[in-house]
Amino acid sequence: ETGVTQTPRHLVMGMTNKKSLKCEQHLGHNAMYWYKQSAKKPLELMFVYSLEERVENNSVPSRFSPECPNSSHLFLHLHTLQPEDSALYLCASSQDLGGGANVLTFGAGSRLTVL
Amino acid sequence: GQNIDQPTEMTATEGAIVQINCTYQTSGFNGLFWYQQHAGEAPTFLSYNVLDGLEEKGRFSSFLSRSKGYSYLLLKELQMKDSASYLCAVNPGNTGKLIFGQGTTLQVKP
Repeated sequence: ETGVTQTPRHLVMGMTNKKSLKCEQHLGHNAMYWYKQSAKKPLELMFVYSLEERVENNSVPSRFSPECPNSSHLFLHLHTLQPEDSALYLCASSQDLGGGANVLTFGAGSRLTVL
Repeated sequence: GQNIDQPTEMTATEGAIVQINCTYQTSGFNGLFWYQQHAGEAPTFLSYNVLDGLEEKGRFSSFLSRSKGYSYLLLKELQMKDSASYLCAVNPGNTGKLIFGQGTTLQVKP
């Protein structure tokens, strides 16, 4: 496979459940990101990892817990979510973190519905 | 604060030309990106501007005026497959942490 792959594509969970979103990139990139995309709102940056170290946590509630075990994989662990957390969660990667022309390659997203 | 504005929706006719505007106010500027996102799919990179002027890539062109905090994406010879959301994003610094606008949903009609 090439590019950025996200699983599952769709997830429905109750507020008391624990689930995880997975992202894998086959591009040899060093930086990975989690974005939240809600209807009619700009993409919100949640977490950034560079060389497996977290470099950004944009005031995200602790019910979202990221994990980056290596430079190719990124997880978002979910627990005790709220209905307002229902959104499309996009994973992205880029060659590095710095520089102006830092092109992001996105996955197709995981559509999360919290009941 | 950081703010990026673009129209929410636009409609155009197949074969026509459409211009999608983006204005930005950010703490810094290190380039502006345009991405295309079809429904249910990943956003894909279209263009990057860091200097003033027009960048042309086939049917798509992107323009930047840094002094005005303004960019536009120009789509020529519109095709039905161009129906998508177009996301404007600014890199305000040197960290790759892009700030996105809410996106413009373009509907191309026959």
